[in-house]
Amino acid sequence: SQKIEQNSEALNIQEGKTATLTCNYTNYSPAYLQWYRQDPGRGPVFLLLIRENEKEKRKERLKVTFDTTLKQSLFHITASQPADSATYLCALGASGGYNKLIFGAGTRLAVHP
Amino acid sequence: GAVVSQHPSWVICKSGTSVKIECRSLDFQATTMFWYRQFPKQSLMLMATSNEGSKATYEQGVEKDKFLINHASLTLSTLTVTSAHPEDSSFYICSASFRTDTQYFGPGTRLTVL
Repeated sequence: SQKIEQNSEALNIQEGKTATLTCNYTNYSPAYLQWYRQDPGRGPVFLLLIRENEKEKRKERLKVTFDTTLKQSLFHITASQPADSATYLCALGASGGYNKLIFGAGTRLAVHP
Repeated sequence: GAVVSQHPSWVICKSGTSVKIECRSLDFQATTMFWYRQFPKQSLMLMATSNEGSKATYEQGVEKDKFLINHASLTLSTLTVTSAHPEDSSFYICSASFRTDTQYFGPGTRLTVL
């Protein structure tokens, strides 16, 4: 069955450093992959989308890579700030139809001053 | 842009009662709306997909008679949890999209069934 793995342990980093989160998947060939941010008790907020034919995408301090051979995506936050502390979700999608997403359980990021 | 609202943000009800949750896209017309459920420290689990004017498509294992979904217009979808029981207590989140791969999520509704 399709499986998405995100590091279940919280990632603790110092302010100003680069945070790197990992998303691995098996038994799936997504047409695209998305990253969302979720704060406690709130709905996810869309951050970035990267398609299967793209290697890297950037948006301000955010960078995502997508390696369809390794079946892995890396999500980077450069110059991290305490306000970046949240849970980050990886979601895989297939184009066509109703564009359903399959979500990972997320990785909690804590940025310390 | 792309704002999705949910109402109520939280609800407490007695076992056996029905609860309705509304999901609205405020500044765009949503061709598709999705309903998810999330238990603590777990991923979002898709319950059903609905398109305006047609019946919802439910995921395997989700009881369609228990979780009634109505997508009455391009800006409104409702989820009704019928005869709710304590095991239905969860965080329910809707999302909406308009002919794109990106989904815009509502703030979620915390349901507690006593």
